[in-house]
Amino acid sequence: SQTIHQWPATLVQPVGSPLSLECTVEGTSNPNLYWYRQAAGRGLQLLFYSVGIGQISSEVPQNLSASRPQDRQFILSSKKLLLSDSGFYLCAWSKGQDNSPLHFGNGTRLTVT
Amino acid sequence: GQNIDQPTEMTATEGAIVQINCTYQTSGFNGLFWYQQHAGEAPTFLSYNVLDGLEEKGRFSSFLSRSKGYSYLLLKELQMKDSASYLCARGSGGYNKLIFGAGTRLAVHP
Repeated sequence: SQTIHQWPATLVQPVGSPLSLECTVEGTSNPNLYWYRQAAGRGLQLLFYSVGIGQISSEVPQNLSASRPQDRQFILSSKKLLLSDSGFYLCAWSKGQDNSPLHFGNGTRLTVT
Repeated sequence: GQNIDQPTEMTATEGAIVQINCTYQTSGFNGLFWYQQHAGEAPTFLSYNVLDGLEEKGRFSSFLSRSKGYSYLLLKELQMKDSASYLCARGSGGYNKLIFGAGTRLAVHP
């Protein structure tokens, strides 16, 4: 069966510091991968998605970037965090077929101070 | 836009039935998904509708009307553990990208 791992679970970082969140998927090959952010009391916002190694699409302009160095590894980064980057970050995967559901990792709660 | 609207909060009694409604903009529609999210946890997939009608999965059912841009999630025989947020999401733009509503927070009382 497929599993998705995301770490760390919580993170407190000062403004201006860098960020690296990692996500890996096991038990499947060539998955679609996604990064979402959930602000308190709001819906999930799609930040990036990837359909293959090195292929990254950004959905919203922002202070973050994503990379996919391996088939089942997805990384979310920032060079300098802003206060507004605080939130609950969720990695997800889906099969490549249309209308396959997304399956989420346990999330990273990021607080920028 | 791709607005998805659902009630912010609902309350219900243990053992009862509750219906959570969701309306969405129909342009570019590509499937309707429901997820459950307990506080502080990740969303988990509940159901998927792409054709009109009712899909039943145990105590949970989901309905879709594409012409009306309308879906609902029906929860039967409510249990305390069903207290959670329920997220309505529509597929948009291919690649299984999902646009989420803000969620409906359901509180189940004894």
